[in-house]
Amino acid sequence: GAGVSQSPSNKVTEKGKDVELRCDPISGHTALYWYRQSLGQGLEFLIYFQGNSAPDKSGLPSDRFSAERTGGSVSTLTIQRTQQEDSAVYLCASSWGQQETQYFGPGTRLLVL
Amino acid sequence: AQSVTQLDSQVPVFEEAPVELRCNYSSSVSVYLFWYVQYPNQGLQLLLKYLSGSTLVKGINGFEAEFNKSQTSFHLRKPSVHISDTAEYFCAVSGVGSGYSTLTFGKGTMLLVSP
Repeated sequence: GAGVSQSPSNKVTEKGKDVELRCDPISGHTALYWYRQSLGQGLEFLIYFQGNSAPDKSGLPSDRFSAERTGGSVSTLTIQRTQQEDSAVYLCASSWGQQETQYFGPGTRLLVL
Repeated sequence: AQSVTQLDSQVPVFEEAPVELRCNYSSSVSVYLFWYVQYPNQGLQLLLKYLSGSTLVKGINGFEAEFNKSQTSFHLRKPSVHISDTAEYFCAVSGVGSGYSTLTFGKGTMLLVSP
């Protein structure tokens, strides 16, 4: 079956521009997570959606970062006014529910020049 | 809050030798423990997980890990590695109970298998 997919696979942008990263979770998975993987910080949690509940945004590093999940399926992570320190691989994961195994997508590699 | 320490950033080993990748955690609540593997330019793939029950957990590709509550460890082992096991390995923890679904990862250990 189809796994978690993310697009684009690579994104190069200029400092100050906005970017949108997309995640398509596994069909039927109610939980969706965004993580960031960078050289200096390792793998960090960003935001978590569970069903229709309010998202857990506790990992977002600044108010330039936001995410939404439409119809309980596809999610978009938006970074406004990108900075060079935003350069990282952004990973999306989904699971059947809370406390269930998370399945990861291939990631979006973001480079901010 | 939880934290994970992977003591070795790199582990070089020869093919067919045994390997152990170390992982220690700290948490104020009970935990679930995971090992993920990341091959170059790919996402994370679950190797194995400990939720409850037997402390020795077997995973894919011949890997196993043992949960040791008293030492707060979850070391990953393989008796004989292959070149294809070259990858980065991440230990992760989540708390048990609602409100603890997100994973906290260690910094990763790069396993380098040479012929």
